[in-house]
Amino acid sequence: SSELTQPPSVSVSPGQTARITCSGDVLPKKYAYWYQQKSGQAPVLMIYKDSERPSGIPERFSGSSSGTTVTLTISGVQPEDEADYYCQSADRRGPLFGGGTKLTVL
Amino acid sequence: EVRLVESGGGLVQPGGSLRLSCAASGFSFSSFWMSWVRQAPGKGLEGVANIKDDGSEIYYVDSVKGRFTISRDNAQKSVYLEMNSLRPEDTAVYYCARDSSSGFDSWGQGILVTVSS
Repeated sequence: SSELTQPPSVSVSPGQTARITCSGDVLPKKYAYWYQQKSGQAPVLMIYKDSERPSGIPERFSGSSSGTTVTLTISGVQPEDEADYYCQSADRRGPLFGGGTKLTVL
Repeated sequence: EVRLVESGGGLVQPGGSLRLSCAASGFSFSSFWMSWVRQAPGKGLEGVANIKDDGSEIYYVDSVKGRFTISRDNAQKSVYLEMNSLRPEDTAVYYCARDSSSGFDSWGQGILVTVSS
């Protein structure tokens, strides 16, 4: 079965750049999406179709894709960026989520 | 403003049933796929079921096939999740989400389903 693999945690200091990866065999064939989920809240779409940013999402959030890996990059991390981040794609059975990455802002 | 409001959650015994509803407003409901996504306590997101805009295509995650049924009423702008033969491992917050070509671009606030004796 298809899987999306993310690191469980990433830590950065304010102002630094955070990179969260997501790997999976479906990614060369299917778009990836990224969601931010803060504690006790519903997820929010941050990146769609690998690298597009929805309106209202800060420019410091960007996405990229290379082969079987997609990357969410947060440039100039702010304290309010501390959250769980999930990648998502799809296979023939429907939507597929990564296990999530907890971003800690030190 | 897009709004999705879930209802119908609660505590149910193993083997029991529950029906979740999601009322949509602020967009052309009949033009979008809709999905149910769940999150077990302390765990990640899992797509449970999704349904095409006209109801002609439906997908389920393997773990709920034969037990859960997704449906929609475009006139009422609502999507439903009928859950039968519930198991403790179905305990989760269930989110209703709009499934667009740009991903899950709108989410409800979530509703808690607890399966326990």
